[in-house]
Amino acid sequence: GAGVSQSPSNKVTEKGKDVELRCDPISGHTALYWYRQSLGQGLEFLIYFQGNSAPDKSGLPSDRFSAERTGGSVSTLTIQRTQQEDSAVYLCASSGGLAGLYEQYFGPGTRLTVT
Amino acid sequence: AQSVTQLDSQVPVFEEAPVELRCNYSSSVSVYLFWYVQYPNQGLQLLLKYLSGSTLVESINGFEAEFNKSQTSFHLRKPSVHISDTAEYFCAVTGNAGNMLTFGGGTRLMVKP
Repeated sequence: GAGVSQSPSNKVTEKGKDVELRCDPISGHTALYWYRQSLGQGLEFLIYFQGNSAPDKSGLPSDRFSAERTGGSVSTLTIQRTQQEDSAVYLCASSGGLAGLYEQYFGPGTRLTVT
Repeated sequence: AQSVTQLDSQVPVFEEAPVELRCNYSSSVSVYLFWYVQYPNQGLQLLLKYLSGSTLVESINGFEAEFNKSQTSFHLRKPSVHISDTAEYFCAVTGNAGNMLTFGGGTRLMVKP
């Protein structure tokens, strides 16, 4: 079946603007994760959704970052008032279903460049 | 808290030579371990995993890794590499309630002809 999809694949924005990044998980997967990959920080966990439970936001770097997951499926990561240090590849992953909760499958990522 | 250390940031190797990419972890709880591979300009792909059972796990393209609890290691090995194995390899661990992955810094495998 279809894998995790993310849009846009690339986003260039000016400092101070808001951006929205979208993730479509694998159908039937109950868990959804956002990670960030940057040269200086490597791969970092941002936020985790599991079913209808409250999300685990412990990895969000500041209150400019937020995410929501509608209907237990699609998720949107929003970054307000973007800064240059937000430039990174934002990766979404999902897990659950027959593969089990521990195997996470990643999307291709959204490359965000803040100018 | 969990952490993962990949001791080598880059590993150059000639084609058909063996390779070992090292991964050590620390965790206060039971762990599940993974290796992900990232080819140039692509996303992360799950290469292999240890969840339980046999401590030696294998991938479909000839890689294997062994979970060693006493040494807190999960090293990745391949007896004979190909040019197409050139990529960055990430070791990751989970085991906490949230199941989020903690990644190592990555090892860039560079296979030379």
